[in-house]
Amino acid sequence: EAGVAQSPRYKIIEKRQSVAFWCNPISGHATLYWYQQILGQGPKLLIQFQNNGVVDDSQLPKDRFSAERLKGVDSTLKIQPAKLEDSAVYLCASSSRQGDEQYFGPGTRLTVT
Amino acid sequence: LAKTTQPISMDSYEGQEVNITCSHNNIATNDYITWYQQFPSQGPRFIIQGYKTKVTNEVASLFIPADRKSSTLSLPRVSLSDTAVYYCLVGGSQGNLIFGKGTKLSVKP
Repeated sequence: EAGVAQSPRYKIIEKRQSVAFWCNPISGHATLYWYQQILGQGPKLLIQFQNNGVVDDSQLPKDRFSAERLKGVDSTLKIQPAKLEDSAVYLCASSSRQGDEQYFGPGTRLTVT
Repeated sequence: LAKTTQPISMDSYEGQEVNITCSHNNIATNDYITWYQQFPSQGPRFIIQGYKTKVTNEVASLFIPADRKSSTLSLPRVSLSDTAVYYCLVGGSQGNLIFGKGTKLSVKP
């Protein structure tokens, strides 16, 4: 069974630039999550999708972050414009249904200079 | 949102049993408790999940008291490869997922 795929694995941008991350969940998984993990901290949920609908985006900085899952399969997370404090690993995870075991991708390490 | 508190670090020796406790005082009625393991440069990996009482699988046990305000992950007979960061996650089927800050477990020979 293929795992959660994410790309790119690494990205370096300057502040005020924009960046996008892509995630392809495990086939058949209805629930998709995006987390931000700052070095030395636990993952922070940014947004949770159930199919193509948003379940929870209460911690998503909506002035600069956006995410979509148009066809209920893969998803993109965008930051525009980026700030220095956005430097982190962005993790995507999926589960067969809400509340179930989450399978995480390898993450995208973002460095904002 | 349920806030979680874990010890920052723990040390153990190979072959010992390790117990890591997570406090979640304002857990909601429909929240589950899930534990994940994370190695450097990898995404977290599921260990065990429970709602109340005791759950056991092939790698760990999870103890949850009746008031559900805390939970304890028990790792029997740890080995060097169990050196990692362990997170408790509290949340329900409606989002509200909160990870703790993690407990860095160091297993020594």
